[in-house]
Amino acid sequence: GNSVTQMEGPVTLSEEAFLTINCTYTATGYPSLFWYVQYPGEGLQLLLKATKADDKGSNKGFEATYRKETTSFHLEKGSVQVSDSAVYFCALDLNFGNEKLTFGTGTRLTIIP
Amino acid sequence: EADIYQTPRYLVIGTGKKITLECSQTMGHDKMYWYQQDPGMELHLIHYSYGVNSTEKGDLSSESTVSRIRTEHFPLTLESARPSHTSQYLCASSEYGAGNEQFFGPGTRLTVL
Repeated sequence: GNSVTQMEGPVTLSEEAFLTINCTYTATGYPSLFWYVQYPGEGLQLLLKATKADDKGSNKGFEATYRKETTSFHLEKGSVQVSDSAVYFCALDLNFGNEKLTFGTGTRLTIIP
Repeated sequence: EADIYQTPRYLVIGTGKKITLECSQTMGHDKMYWYQQDPGMELHLIHYSYGVNSTEKGDLSSESTVSRIRTEHFPLTLESARPSHTSQYLCASSEYGAGNEQFFGPGTRLTVL
């Protein structure tokens, strides 16, 4: 079946540190890949996405590259801020069929000033 | 900002009561979803709909029911609430097609005493 495995948290970093949150997937076919972010007390919102191999999604200083050979979509940011503290979800969406999102378990990120 | 709304935001209710969680979107999306989010953050799809008069069970079995009489409205009902139903419920919607963003509402935090 389809699944998403992401780095367990919680992750705590100091402001301006480099961030990597690992995400790997198992899927039949060629999925679209997403990172969603959930700030405290809110619903999820799309952070970035990539729809085919070697695509790079980017937004708000975050980046992730769709790596088919390693079935990965790791999230990175060069210099984190306190405002980046949130829960991050990696997800996939099969490009055929009923197009339901399969989510990872989420990684809680806390940035310390 | 996503135009998807959930009410109430918080609900505390006694065992055995019937409740309806409201979800509305103004984006004209055909696809809508209900997720249950446990305290460990993991998201579980409990219901989804492809359009008016379409409802499907999700990946996690739930005692709740849903209806889709209008495109913009996707309410979730629990006939007899129990403490095991205590959770965060998130509604989402999206356009048809692969790789499309799901827009999430702010969630309803339900506590059953």
